[in-house]
Order: sequence, then C-alpha cells, then structure tokens
Amino acid sequence: SQTIHQWPATLVQPVGSPLSLECTVEGTSNPNLYWYRQAAGRGLQLLFYSVGIGQISSEVPQNLSASRPQDRQFILSSKKLLLSDSGFYLCAWSALTISREGYTFGSGTRLTVV
Amino acid sequence: GQSLEQPSEVTAVEGAIVQINCTYQTSGFYGLSWYQQHDGGAPTFLSYNGLDGLEETGRFSSFLSRSDSYGYLLLQELQMKDSASYFCASNNAGNMLTFGGGTRLMVKP
Repeated sequence: SQTIHQWPATLVQPVGSPLSLECTVEGTSNPNLYWYRQAAGRGLQLLFYSVGIGQISSEVPQNLSASRPQDRQFILSSKKLLLSDSGFYLCAWSALTISREGYTFGSGTRLTVV
Repeated sequence: GQSLEQPSEVTAVEGAIVQINCTYQTSGFYGLSWYQQHDGGAPTFLSYNGLDGLEETGRFSSFLSRSDSYGYLLLQELQMKDSASYFCASNNAGNMLTFGGGTRLMVKP
C-alpha cells in the first residue's frame, strides 16, 4: 500500500532563518507530488507541484522553493522565512491521471515563524 | 481563474441529514471531489464525481450537475465524529485540484 511521510510535525522558526520540509512517498512510482499551505480556518493553497524528478511548477510567487531530487522525495525550502510564511504545510501525492482515489495527504507540518 | 464557493459553516444535530453545496467556475473541468479534514489533521479523500449524478458511499453521497456548475455532499445519520471541515475541489487537466474555502460542519447532540 502507498504511504506518505512528512516531517517535522511542528516547527517554530525565527524570521530570517532557513526552512527545509521533507516529504517522501512509498509504494508507488512516478507520482504527482504537491505542496499546499493552509492558513488557520482557510482553504488549501497550492504552492508547488511536480510531475517528475527535477520538474517543479510554482503556482504562487513567494520566497519559497521546491525540489524533487528523487522520484518519491519532495522538499520545500526557504532561504529566509517571513512572518507571513506561518501556516500548515501539507504534502500530497496523486496518480498521474484522475482517479477515483483522489489525493493522499501527509500529516502536515505546522510552521510558526516568530 | 478558478473559484469554488461553499458555505463557511453548517450546524446540524446528531442523526440528521445535512447537505453542503458547492458552486464552481473553473476551466478545464473534469470532475468534483470532496475532502474531509478534522481539526489539526490532514484532508482525507471522500468522493469523486466525474459524471453527472449521484455517487453513494455509505452514509455519504455526492452529486454533480455540470450544466449548473454545481455539486453537493450529503451526509446522512450524522454522528459527532462527522464534525469537521469539508472541502469541495475541482479536478482539472493533469489531475490538478483547486479547493474551495471549506465548510465547517458542527454536529450537536
């Protein structure tokens, strides 16, 4: 079965510090991978998606970046965090084509920038 | 652009039936999905409607009308554990999802 791991679960970082969030998927090959951000009580905002190794598409201009160094690894980074980067970050994977199984989300990272 | 509208909050009592509506304006629309998210947790997939009509999965049903750009999630025999946020999402080309703002469902005893 497919599983998705995301860590850390919570993170408190000072403004201006770097960020690295990691997500790995097991049990599937060549998945679509996504990074979403969710502000408290709000919907999910797509930040980045990837259809393959080294292929990253950005949906929202910001000081965040993403990389996919391996087929089942997706990393979200920042060189210098801003207060506005606080939020709940979710990694997700899906099949390449629309399926009746939907997206599978990781357990999320709650980031607080202080 | 892509946009989905759903009510921000719905309250119902245990054992009742509740319907959460979703209207959408998206390009390259393939279908409508629904996700459930408990406080502090990750969204989990509930259902997908690729065709018009009703899809039933246990106590949950989802409906889509492409001509009306409208869908809904129907929850029957509500239980306290159904208290959560529910998101509709449009499936677009390349299996991309655009989410609505979410509906917070509160189930009262």
